[in-house]
Amino acid sequence: DIQMTQSPSSVSASVGDRVTITCRASQGIASSLAWYQQKPGRAPQLLIYDASNLQSGVPSRFSGSGSGTYFILTISSLQPEDFETYYCQHGDSFPITFGQGTRLEIK
Amino acid sequence: EAQLVESGGDLVHPGGSLRLSCEASGFPFSNFWMHWVRQAPGKGLVWVSRINNDGSDRSYADSVKGRFTISRDNAKNTVYLQMNSLRAEDTAVYYCTRDNYGPHHYMDVWGKGTTVTVSS
Repeated sequence: DIQMTQSPSSVSASVGDRVTITCRASQGIASSLAWYQQKPGRAPQLLIYDASNLQSGVPSRFSGSGSGTYFILTISSLQPEDFETYYCQHGDSFPITFGQGTRLEIK
Repeated sequence: EAQLVESGGDLVHPGGSLRLSCEASGFPFSNFWMHWVRQAPGKGLVWVSRINNDGSDRSYADSVKGRFTISRDNAKNTVYLQMNSLRAEDTAVYYCTRDNYGPHHYMDVWGKGTTVTVSS
């Protein structure tokens, strides 16, 4: 199975800051990676797919990059509604696996 | 608008069974693969199972293989998860999700989830 490792597990930042979250795959997955945002008590929402494609309706301050085993989610200018939990997920093969999550907290 | 509505979650004793349902609307259901994903209290997301668009091919996480069965009824726009031999560690919110219909497998539509609690 492909293991997905996110870092950091939590990060503190301020409104307006630029933040990056990384995700590493235990083996190469080309660009087969997605990022999700989850608010407490809500279902996750797809932000980015195929490593760098923005899902329809997602603000342009979110961007993704990377390929192979190393991926980055960048939020260019944090807004108050962005302080949530983020997950990466590989879509290369089954079983699908998620990273353990990164909690983005207000400093 | 594409929507997924799960039902069937409940409190069940260890060793018991439960069937979850997920009714889809707002999109051509029979064209899409579907997944179940779960999230234990305070924990991360775990993929459980998937089924292809006509129900002829299925996959499971090792943790549920042999105990859970995914199925679908395209005439009813519904996907199911039959859960047998339930364990305490199956306690979670179970989400029904739609595969994004591409060469790779992402989840672009999620239901609100249904809660399964396994406890004596």
